[in-house]
Amino acid sequence: KNQVEQSPQSLIILEGKNCTLQCNYTVSPFSNLRWYKQDTGRGPVSLTIMTFSENTKSNGRYTATLDADTKQSSLHITASQLSDSASYICVVSPYNTDKLIFGTGTRLQVFP
Amino acid sequence: EAGVVQSPRYKIIEKKQPVAFWCNPISGHNTLYWYLQNLGQGPELLIRYENEEAVDDSQLPKDRFSAERLKGVDSTLKIQPAELGDSAVYLCASSQGSGSEIDTQYFGPGTRLTVL
Repeated sequence: KNQVEQSPQSLIILEGKNCTLQCNYTVSPFSNLRWYKQDTGRGPVSLTIMTFSENTKSNGRYTATLDADTKQSSLHITASQLSDSASYICVVSPYNTDKLIFGTGTRLQVFP
Repeated sequence: EAGVVQSPRYKIIEKKQPVAFWCNPISGHNTLYWYLQNLGQGPELLIRYENEEAVDDSQLPKDRFSAERLKGVDSTLKIQPAELGDSAVYLCASSQGSGSEIDTQYFGPGTRLTVL
């Protein structure tokens, strides 16, 4: 069983719409949770990083939330654009390690 | 500022052949990572360097995979001999290695390996 699970696996939305991606993790304790965006054929790019004590972090139209009690995080994308089409990967770093545990990602497609 | 550079971007080889990938991290970044990413999956760490020292190679299949970072800057990852199951994207990442719990990793574009 993956320690970091994401849902949905894939998502199709229309341009301009909002969407929310989910991440459930079992890593405990953990020091931080990150969301990465990976365009096709490119490496992942960091969107947000939250420590265990933070509840929300924004980066432009991207807003990540974290509930450490339920071990859930979400990434909300507002007013989606065609360029938001990518895979979004949730990554958790266990406490006191340099390791990163990657989820399998959500593949988002934004259509005009 | 240049990002993480990897070459080649694509490589097609026959099984049992050797192959090597090269990575030049962001200038000043002490920590370098090699990841393997299968289609539809998240990256999996193969090896992590702090300067020239491999500090975590527990997931590196050492019977066929090797890596080096001789001068603590650029790095090569080698597979010899390659197997069909090695077809994947090989990602290189670097970070400052500041010891901060939120040390950000910057990824290169990856090398897509196809083994026939």
